[in-house]
Amino acid sequence: ETGVTQTPRHLVMGMTNKKSLKCEQHLGHNAMYWYKQSAKKPLELMFVYSLEERVENNSVPSRFSPECPNSSHLFLHLHTLQPEDSALYLCASSQLGGTGETQYFGPGTRLLVL
Amino acid sequence: AQSVSQHNHHVILSEAASLELGCNYSYGGTVNLFWYVQYPGQHLQLLLKYFSGDPLVKGIKGFEAEFIKSKFSFNLRKPSVQWSDTAEYFCAVAKYGGATNKLIFGTGTLLAVQP
Repeated sequence: ETGVTQTPRHLVMGMTNKKSLKCEQHLGHNAMYWYKQSAKKPLELMFVYSLEERVENNSVPSRFSPECPNSSHLFLHLHTLQPEDSALYLCASSQLGGTGETQYFGPGTRLLVL
Repeated sequence: AQSVSQHNHHVILSEAASLELGCNYSYGGTVNLFWYVQYPGQHLQLLLKYFSGDPLVKGIKGFEAEFIKSKFSFNLRKPSVQWSDTAEYFCAVAKYGGATNKLIFGTGTLLAVQP
């Protein structure tokens, strides 16, 4: 399934590095999301973009900076991360529509911060 | 705060055994309910969803789930599991408000099916 793609699939970075995660959705959706998946914890919603505007920021540290240049692309810019930020970062998209809305997920980027 | 509870963290079954994974949520308003599955090395996939109507919903690969409003539950079932069902299963609840519907996930249940 290629509805939502993410690159890179794996990333190793030092605490002083700057990197970016990319997400692209091919489903014609108008909302996009970033989630963090850590072991033994529920998926944590980080950011929500609706119609290319950020509508939710769930108390995420400023070392994570999202960008949504258009409805198909979503980025997560990373800088001065901490080892506890190591996790699987998932992107999702949906078509806004009230009760019928369903989110579709990408394969994730496995991030390791050394 | 709204939450989703999955009581079974690890489940081990033999092939052909019946499966039931529990999911309870705490949100009292109108909700949509989902089960997602994550096979080893693969991305989260939608297994089934409930929006309205018949509380017994059928999904892919022979899975079904029953919404019991009075119990705030949405348990996942399959009458006979296969080795290929080995995966992690996530229950999620969508609550409404603001510009989008916010998904709240449970911690997941890791299912291992032994051949």
